[in-house]
Amino acid sequence: SAVISQKPSRDICQRGTSLTIQCQVDSQVTMMFWYRQQPGQSLTLIATANQGSEATYESGFVIDKFPISRPNLTFSTLTVSNMSPEDSSIYLCSVGYGTGGRYEQYFGPGTRLTVT
Amino acid sequence: GQQVMQIPQYQHVQEGEDFTTYCNSSTTLSNIQWYKQRPGGHPVFLIQLVKSGEVKKQKRLTFQFGEAKKNSSLHITATQTTDVGTYFCAGPGDRDDKIIFGKGTRLHILP
Repeated sequence: SAVISQKPSRDICQRGTSLTIQCQVDSQVTMMFWYRQQPGQSLTLIATANQGSEATYESGFVIDKFPISRPNLTFSTLTVSNMSPEDSSIYLCSVGYGTGGRYEQYFGPGTRLTVT
Repeated sequence: GQQVMQIPQYQHVQEGEDFTTYCNSSTTLSNIQWYKQRPGGHPVFLIQLVKSGEVKKQKRLTFQFGEAKKNSSLHITATQTTDVGTYFCAGPGDRDDKIIFGKGTRLHILP
């Protein structure tokens, strides 16, 4: 497993602004993921941010709105750009251990974003 | 696309009663995973099942993977207040590096 931290833990932002969320892992890991979770709902994958390749975005999520950086094996950032109230959600990073679709995911504590 | 269906969506049980949540897929799964999310917390990995008909136990929790590898269940014996939370199953997505989560079953324990 891994110890994962996220910054900030929560924020309240004005619409039209951008917020960058940081995810730090205590060990090197190739697979890293960014999810969004509305309160009481399931997890929606935003993108896969494997080190050494461009992030792969899921349907409904685009790089201009959610740019991701993955500069090394222990760190990633997700930016929520030009925010609107619909972006209010919990954003979670996770890391994966394993191969071939059989991997375990470990999640950070999440960032609770409120856009006013 | 790939998806895993989870039932029930909510379950209220008296403390001490048993609880079961079910996960179903229309396609054969190479593996199934289970996660628990406490209220206000983040999902925590519980277990991964890989083999047809596999049964694994963790104290009061019993996990099963169907013979056809299209369904799975999580059974909790004699629930306790610490079992409160949402239980998610997750299966492989349409890429090797992708996992699809079910909608989860929220367990509420009545004292």
